[in-house]
Amino acid sequence: DAKTTQPPSMDCAEGRAANLPCNHSTISGNEYVYWYRQIHSQGPQYIIHGLKNNETNEMASLIITEDRKSSTLILPHATLRDTAVYYCIVRPSNTGNQFYFGTGTSLTVIP
Amino acid sequence: DAGITQSPRHKVTETGTPVTLRCHQTENHRYMYWYRQDPGHGLRLIHYSYGVKDTDKGEVSDGYSVSRSKTEDFLLTLESATSSQTSVYFCAISEGDRGPDTQYFGPGTRLTVL
Repeated sequence: DAKTTQPPSMDCAEGRAANLPCNHSTISGNEYVYWYRQIHSQGPQYIIHGLKNNETNEMASLIITEDRKSSTLILPHATLRDTAVYYCIVRPSNTGNQFYFGTGTSLTVIP
Repeated sequence: DAGITQSPRHKVTETGTPVTLRCHQTENHRYMYWYRQDPGHGLRLIHYSYGVKDTDKGEVSDGYSVSRSKTEDFLLTLESATSSQTSVYFCAISEGDRGPDTQYFGPGTRLTVL
């Protein structure tokens, strides 16, 4: 699986948009970009995934650059409950493969 | 949230004793996974199952065995627990269809081996 690079930590003011970057310069054509988050002591929570196009769901938006070498997860209006570690994962679509969670970005939403 | 439960949620045991963790799903997903999470190592795959009675090893399978006799249940057994198996264990499920195979995780079991 392609390696990802994320900043270790970020702060965001409550109510503002949180933009979490991820570099994945070695991504292959069949690899998807996934984002998960883990709130302290809980199981990882799926947020969103994409292949080439930008994606949006009720939780977040995913912006993937045209060359697919980087992406940004956007939480449009961060709340205190969004404080968590966010993981960017790149993996192929075939089943049975584990998700390789790196160290992620620790996002702190500040009141 | 996906219908995944894990039991027990917390367990303290002694070295050398057998331990079984249970993952139960109500989503009828084909694939089930066991991960462990340790500081500095992220999540590491122990075993996974791609159907009833069909299992395979993951990255850190030594010292663990699994069984899946029903679609909804995936059991992880530590035959003789060691202190190095103190960890938080997460179960995950996925549909196993073509295309992206999103995994959904359970709440975790915190195991302490004294």
